[in-house]
Amino acid sequence: DAKTTQPTSMDCAEGRAANLPCNHSTISGNEYVYWYRQIHSQGPQYIIHGLKNNETNEMASLIITEDRKSSTLILPHATLRDTAVYYCIVSGGGATNKLIFGTGTLLAVQP
Amino acid sequence: DVKVTQSSRYLVKRTGEKVFLECVQDMDHENMFWYRQDPGLGLRLIYFSYDVKMKEKGDIPEGYSVSREKKERFSLILESASTNQTSMYLCASSPVIGLAGGYRSYEQYFGPGTRLTVT
Repeated sequence: DAKTTQPTSMDCAEGRAANLPCNHSTISGNEYVYWYRQIHSQGPQYIIHGLKNNETNEMASLIITEDRKSSTLILPHATLRDTAVYYCIVSGGGATNKLIFGTGTLLAVQP
Repeated sequence: DVKVTQSSRYLVKRTGEKVFLECVQDMDHENMFWYRQDPGLGLRLIYFSYDVKMKEKGDIPEGYSVSREKKERFSLILESASTNQTSMYLCASSPVIGLAGGYRSYEQYFGPGTRLTVT
């Protein structure tokens, strides 16, 4: 599976947009980009995934570059409850879709 | 909402004990997974199951076994617990969707985790 590179940590002011980058330069054509987050002492939570097109749901937006070598997760109006570790994962999917979690980005939303 | 439950939030066991961690999902998902999470190492896949009685090894299966006798339940077994198995254990499930190009699975739903301490 392709690997991803994320910053170790980021800060964001409450109410502002949080933009979390991810590099996946070796992604192959059939691999999806997934984002999960993990709030302290809880299990990871699925946020969003995409293949080529930008995606938006009630939690976030996912912007994937045209060459698919990087992506950005956008939380439009960050709140203190968005403080968490955010994981960017690349996976080929298939029926079992095993995910490989790295160490992610710790997003700290500041009041 | 999908609900994945794990039998205990905290568990303390002694070295050499046989330990059972239970996971139940209520959404009829085909796939179920067991991970462990350690500081600095992220989540690592121990075993997964894609159907009743079917299992495959993940990245770190040594010292563990699993059982899936019913679709909703996936058990992780530590045959003889050791101190290096002290960790956070996370269970997840995911649905399989039949599409024109074949079967696909996307998001995984996680339980709250079991923090196991082996003394």
